[in-house]
Amino acid sequence: GESVGLHLPTLSVQEGDNSIINCAYSNSASDYFIWYKQESGKGPQFIIDIRSNMDKRQGQRVTVLLNKTVKHLSLQIAATQPGDSAVYFCAENAGGTSYGKLTFGQGTILTVHP
Amino acid sequence: KAGVTQTPRYLIKTRGQQVTLSCSPISGHRSVSWYQQTPGQGLQFLFEYFSETQRNKGNFPGRFSGRQFSNSRSEMNVSTLELGDSALYLCASSLLGGTNYEQYFGPGTRLTVT
Repeated sequence: GESVGLHLPTLSVQEGDNSIINCAYSNSASDYFIWYKQESGKGPQFIIDIRSNMDKRQGQRVTVLLNKTVKHLSLQIAATQPGDSAVYFCAENAGGTSYGKLTFGQGTILTVHP
Repeated sequence: KAGVTQTPRYLIKTRGQQVTLSCSPISGHRSVSWYQQTPGQGLQFLFEYFSETQRNKGNFPGRFSGRQFSNSRSEMNVSTLELGDSALYLCASSLLGGTNYEQYFGPGTRLTVT
Protein backbone atom coordinates (compact mmCIF):
# COMPACT_ATOMS: atom_id res chain seq x y z
CA GLY A 1 0.00 0.00 0.00
CA GLU A 2 0.96 3.64 -0.11
CA SER A 3 3.40 4.89 2.49
CA VAL A 4 5.41 7.91 3.36
CA GLY A 5 8.99 7.40 4.44
CA LEU A 6 11.79 9.55 5.77
CA HIS A 7 15.39 9.26 4.60
CA LEU A 8 17.07 10.14 7.91
CA PRO A 9 15.84 9.03 11.29
CA THR A 10 18.02 11.54 13.22
CA LEU A 11 19.42 14.98 12.55
CA SER A 12 21.73 16.94 14.84
CA VAL A 13 22.46 20.62 14.22
CA GLN A 14 23.98 23.57 16.02
CA GLU A 15 21.81 26.42 17.19
CA GLY A 16 21.53 29.01 14.46
CA ASP A 17 22.10 26.56 11.62
CA ASN A 18 19.48 25.83 9.01
CA SER A 19 17.88 22.36 9.15
CA ILE A 20 16.50 20.33 6.30
CA ILE A 21 14.29 17.32 6.92
CA ASN A 22 13.40 15.12 3.97
CA CYS A 23 10.51 12.84 3.16
CA ALA A 24 9.64 10.54 0.26
CA TYR A 25 6.10 9.60 -0.59
CA SER A 26 4.81 6.89 -2.87
CA ASN A 27 1.18 7.79 -3.61
CA SER A 28 1.15 9.90 -6.75
CA ALA A 29 -2.52 10.65 -6.07
CA SER A 30 -1.71 12.48 -2.84
CA ASP A 31 -3.10 15.98 -2.96
CA TYR A 32 -2.14 17.49 0.36
CA PHE A 33 0.99 17.29 2.48
CA ILE A 34 1.58 18.38 6.05
CA TRP A 35 4.53 18.65 8.40
CA TYR A 36 4.00 18.05 12.09
CA LYS A 37 6.25 18.54 15.11
CA GLN A 38 5.87 16.28 18.12
CA GLU A 39 7.48 17.04 21.45
CA SER A 40 7.78 14.47 24.18
CA GLY A 41 4.46 13.78 25.89
CA LYS A 42 2.45 15.85 23.43
CA GLY A 43 0.38 15.27 20.35
CA PRO A 44 1.66 16.30 16.90
CA GLN A 45 1.58 20.03 16.31
CA PHE A 46 0.79 21.41 12.85
CA ILE A 47 3.72 23.29 11.29
CA ILE A 48 2.93 23.92 7.65
CA ASP A 49 1.07 22.35 4.76
CA ILE A 50 1.20 22.43 0.99
CA ARG A 51 -1.19 21.45 -1.76
CA SER A 52 -0.10 19.43 -4.76
CA ASN A 53 -0.61 22.40 -7.10
CA MET A 54 2.22 24.25 -5.34
CA ASP A 55 5.95 23.55 -5.15
CA LYS A 56 6.90 25.88 -2.31
CA ARG A 57 5.27 27.45 0.68
CA GLN A 58 6.80 29.60 3.39
CA GLY A 59 5.84 30.17 6.97
CA GLN A 60 7.57 31.73 9.92
CA ARG A 61 11.15 30.34 9.78
CA VAL A 62 9.90 27.28 7.89
CA THR A 63 9.64 26.44 4.21
CA VAL A 64 8.15 23.35 2.65
CA LEU A 65 9.24 22.23 -0.80
CA LEU A 66 7.35 19.74 -2.90
CA ASN A 67 8.84 17.94 -5.89
CA LYS A 68 6.10 15.86 -7.47
CA THR A 69 8.39 14.55 -10.19
CA VAL A 70 10.45 12.57 -7.71
CA LYS A 71 7.75 12.41 -5.01
CA HIS A 72 9.83 14.26 -2.48
CA LEU A 73 8.92 16.66 0.30
CA SER A 74 11.24 18.67 2.50
CA LEU A 75 10.98 20.94 5.50
CA GLN A 76 13.52 23.70 5.92
CA ILE A 77 13.88 25.38 9.30
CA ALA A 78 15.87 28.60 9.33
CA ALA A 79 18.03 29.63 12.28
CA THR A 80 17.22 26.46 14.20
CA GLN A 81 16.69 26.95 17.93
CA PRO A 82 16.89 24.51 20.86
CA GLY A 83 13.10 24.74 21.11
CA ASP A 84 12.91 23.17 17.66
CA SER A 85 14.22 19.89 19.06
CA ALA A 86 11.46 17.35 18.52
CA VAL A 87 10.33 14.57 16.21
CA TYR A 88 9.15 15.80 12.82
CA PHE A 89 6.65 13.89 10.74
CA CYS A 90 5.52 14.38 7.20
CA ALA A 91 2.03 13.23 6.29
CA GLU A 92 0.15 12.89 3.05
CA ASN A 93 -3.49 12.91 2.16
CA ALA A 94 -5.22 11.70 -0.98
CA GLY A 95 -7.85 14.43 -0.87
CA GLY A 96 -11.51 14.24 -1.69
CA THR A 97 -13.45 12.47 1.02
CA SER A 98 -10.13 11.13 2.34
CA TYR A 99 -9.04 14.45 3.81
CA GLY A 100 -9.65 13.02 7.24
CA LYS A 101 -7.11 10.25 6.66
CA LEU A 102 -3.42 11.05 6.93
CA THR A 103 -0.59 8.65 6.13
CA PHE A 104 2.45 9.48 8.23
CA GLY A 105 6.13 8.98 7.66
CA GLN A 106 8.34 7.34 10.28
CA GLY A 107 9.56 10.62 11.73
CA THR A 108 12.93 12.35 12.08
CA ILE A 109 14.41 13.23 15.44
CA LEU A 110 15.86 16.72 15.31
CA THR A 111 18.32 17.64 18.05
CA VAL A 112 19.55 21.22 18.29
CA HIS A 113 22.73 21.78 20.28
CA PRO A 114 23.21 25.18 21.98
CA LYS B 1 -10.43 28.67 21.47
CA ALA B 2 -9.91 25.44 23.38
CA GLY B 3 -7.90 22.70 21.69
CA VAL B 4 -8.69 19.04 21.24
CA THR B 5 -9.14 17.28 24.55
CA GLN B 6 -8.82 13.59 25.23
CA THR B 7 -9.80 11.61 28.30
CA PRO B 8 -8.43 9.82 30.11
CA ARG B 9 -4.78 10.74 29.59
CA TYR B 10 -3.48 7.47 30.99
CA LEU B 11 -5.06 4.06 31.27
CA ILE B 12 -3.91 0.63 32.40
CA LYS B 13 -5.95 -2.39 31.39
CA THR B 14 -5.58 -6.16 31.47
CA ARG B 15 -5.61 -8.44 28.45
CA GLY B 16 -9.13 -9.42 27.47
CA GLN B 17 -10.73 -6.29 28.88
CA GLN B 18 -12.27 -3.55 26.80
CA VAL B 19 -11.62 0.19 26.88
CA THR B 20 -13.37 3.36 25.73
CA LEU B 21 -11.47 6.54 24.95
CA SER B 22 -13.05 9.94 24.50
CA CYS B 23 -12.23 12.92 22.31
CA SER B 24 -13.72 16.39 22.26
CA PRO B 25 -12.85 18.29 19.07
CA ILE B 26 -12.25 21.98 18.65
CA SER B 27 -15.53 23.86 18.66
CA GLY B 28 -16.97 23.98 15.16
CA HIS B 29 -14.90 21.08 13.84
CA ARG B 30 -16.99 18.31 12.37
CA SER B 31 -14.34 15.76 11.43
CA VAL B 32 -12.62 13.61 14.05
CA SER B 33 -9.85 11.17 13.17
CA TRP B 34 -8.18 8.60 15.40
CA TYR B 35 -4.59 7.37 15.18
CA GLN B 36 -2.52 4.79 17.00
CA GLN B 37 1.11 5.62 17.71
CA THR B 38 3.64 2.95 18.65
CA PRO B 39 7.45 2.92 18.51
CA GLY B 40 7.40 0.05 16.04
CA GLN B 41 4.65 1.11 13.64
CA GLY B 42 4.66 4.86 14.06
CA LEU B 43 1.45 6.80 13.53
CA GLN B 44 -1.27 4.73 11.92
CA PHE B 45 -4.74 5.85 10.92
CA LEU B 46 -7.62 4.08 12.64
CA PHE B 47 -10.76 5.78 11.39
CA GLU B 48 -12.41 9.11 10.70
CA TYR B 49 -15.89 10.34 11.54
CA PHE B 50 -17.68 13.19 9.89
CA SER B 51 -21.19 14.26 10.84
CA GLU B 52 -21.69 11.10 12.90
CA THR B 53 -20.73 8.80 10.01
CA GLN B 54 -17.56 6.77 9.64
CA ARG B 55 -16.11 8.05 6.42
CA ASN B 56 -12.68 6.42 6.33
CA LYS B 57 -11.25 3.34 7.99
CA GLY B 58 -7.70 2.09 8.40
CA ASN B 59 -6.39 -1.46 8.45
CA PHE B 60 -7.21 -2.46 11.99
CA PRO B 61 -9.22 -5.47 13.20
CA GLY B 62 -12.88 -5.21 14.07
CA ARG B 63 -11.97 -5.03 17.77
CA PHE B 64 -11.36 -1.36 17.13
CA SER B 65 -14.52 0.66 16.71
CA GLY B 66 -15.70 4.19 17.17
CA ARG B 67 -18.59 6.55 16.98
CA GLN B 68 -19.35 10.23 16.82
CA PHE B 69 -22.13 12.08 18.55
CA SER B 70 -24.25 14.94 17.27
CA ASN B 71 -22.03 17.45 19.10
CA SER B 72 -19.01 16.02 17.18
CA ARG B 73 -17.50 14.43 20.27
CA SER B 74 -16.12 11.01 19.48
CA GLU B 75 -15.33 7.81 21.29
CA MET B 76 -13.28 4.83 20.28
CA ASN B 77 -13.58 1.39 21.78
CA VAL B 78 -11.16 -1.50 21.80
CA SER B 79 -12.55 -4.86 22.84
CA THR B 80 -10.67 -7.97 23.95
CA LEU B 81 -7.47 -6.05 24.56
CA GLU B 82 -4.15 -7.56 23.51
CA LEU B 83 -0.66 -6.66 24.70
CA GLY B 84 0.05 -5.20 21.27
CA ASP B 85 -2.71 -2.64 21.74
CA SER B 86 -0.47 -0.76 24.16
CA ALA B 87 0.03 2.58 22.45
CA LEU B 88 -0.63 6.28 22.43
CA TYR B 89 -4.06 6.89 20.91
CA LEU B 90 -4.37 10.28 19.29
CA CYS B 91 -7.45 12.11 18.21
CA ALA B 92 -7.42 14.93 15.67
CA SER B 93 -10.15 17.29 14.61
CA SER B 94 -10.54 19.27 11.44
CA LEU B 95 -12.87 21.86 10.07
CA LEU B 96 -12.68 20.27 6.59
CA GLY B 97 -14.33 23.19 4.95
CA GLY B 98 -13.26 25.34 2.02
CA THR B 99 -9.49 25.09 1.76
CA ASN B 100 -8.96 24.33 5.43
CA TYR B 101 -7.89 20.73 5.90
CA GLU B 102 -5.55 21.10 8.85
CA GLN B 103 -5.87 18.41 11.49
CA TYR B 104 -5.30 19.48 15.08
CA PHE B 105 -4.23 16.79 17.51
CA GLY B 106 -5.02 16.27 21.14
CA PRO B 107 -2.42 15.18 23.71
CA GLY B 108 -3.40 11.52 23.37
CA THR B 109 -4.41 8.73 25.71
CA ARG B 110 -1.58 6.45 26.80
CA LEU B 111 -3.00 2.91 27.02
CA THR B 112 -0.98 0.19 28.67
CA VAL B 113 -2.22 -3.40 28.44
CA THR B 114 -0.76 -5.87 30.94
